Amino acid sequence: EAGVTQFPSHSVIEKGQTVTLRCDPISGHDNLYWYRRVMGKEIKFLLHFVKESKQDESGMPNNRFLAERTGGTYSTLKVQPAELEDSGVYFCASSPGLAGVLRVSTGELFFGEGSRLTVL
Amino acid sequence: EDQVTQSPEALRLQEGESSSLNCSYTVSGLRGLFWYRQDPGKGPEFLFTLYSAGEEKEKERLKATLTKKESFLHITAPKPEDSATYLCAVQAVWDYKLSFGAGTTVTVRA
Repeated sequence: EAGVTQFPSHSVIEKGQTVTLRCDPISGHDNLYWYRRVMGKEIKFLLHFVKESKQDESGMPNNRFLAERTGGTYSTLKVQPAELEDSGVYFCASSPGLAGVLRVSTGELFFGEGSRLTVL
Repeated sequence: EDQVTQSPEALRLQEGESSSLNCSYTVSGLRGLFWYRQDPGKGPEFLFTLYSAGEEKEKERLKATLTKKESFLHITAPKPEDSATYLCAVQAVWDYKLSFGAGTTVTVRA
C-alpha cells in the first residue's frame, strides 16, 4: 500500500513568489492534515480536512496560505506571496475515518516525508 | 494552550546502554499522548498511544509510560538502528490536532 506522498520534496523560491505544495494521502483516508516545522522549532499544526471540508484551520498563520482538498482526495497548500519566515518543512499526514476503524486512534497519523521550502 | 516539553534535547548512548526520555505536558483534558520516531529526511512515524495515567506500551526495545504530568520513553539495550529523533505529542479531548514537543535526538554508538 502506498504511503502519503508529497511533492515537491524541495522548493527554492524568491520572496514574493508563489509556491504550491501537493499531498496525496493514503487511499481511503478521510482525514488529511498539514503541519510544518520552521527552523529550530517544533512541528506545528496548520489545518485539518475531513474529506473535502476544512474541519479546523486554526493553525494557518495568515491569509497568504490557502489549502484545498479536491474531491476529498489530494490536497494542495499554496503560499502566495511567500515570505522569508515561511521557510521550513511542510508535512502532510492522513488517517482513516473513525467509522468502522475505531481501533485507530485519531492521533495515529501517517506522515509523508515532507516538502522543504526555502524562501530567499 | 497545550504545552509539551521534551528533555534532554540530545542523548548519546553506547550500544546496550539503557536510558529514558522525558516528555512533560500541560493540556486541559488529555485525549491521548503519542510518541513518534523521526529519521533524518523522513516524516514522523507513529510508535505509541497512551490514554490514561498508569498505562504502559511496549514495542521491541521501547517502552512508554504515562503519568498525569509526564511520559517517559525507556530504551532498553539500544542498538545503532534506534538512533532517531523521538517526538512526543498530545491531543486535547475536544480536538484532533496534535501539539508536538521539540523532540529528543538519540544517537546510539556501536
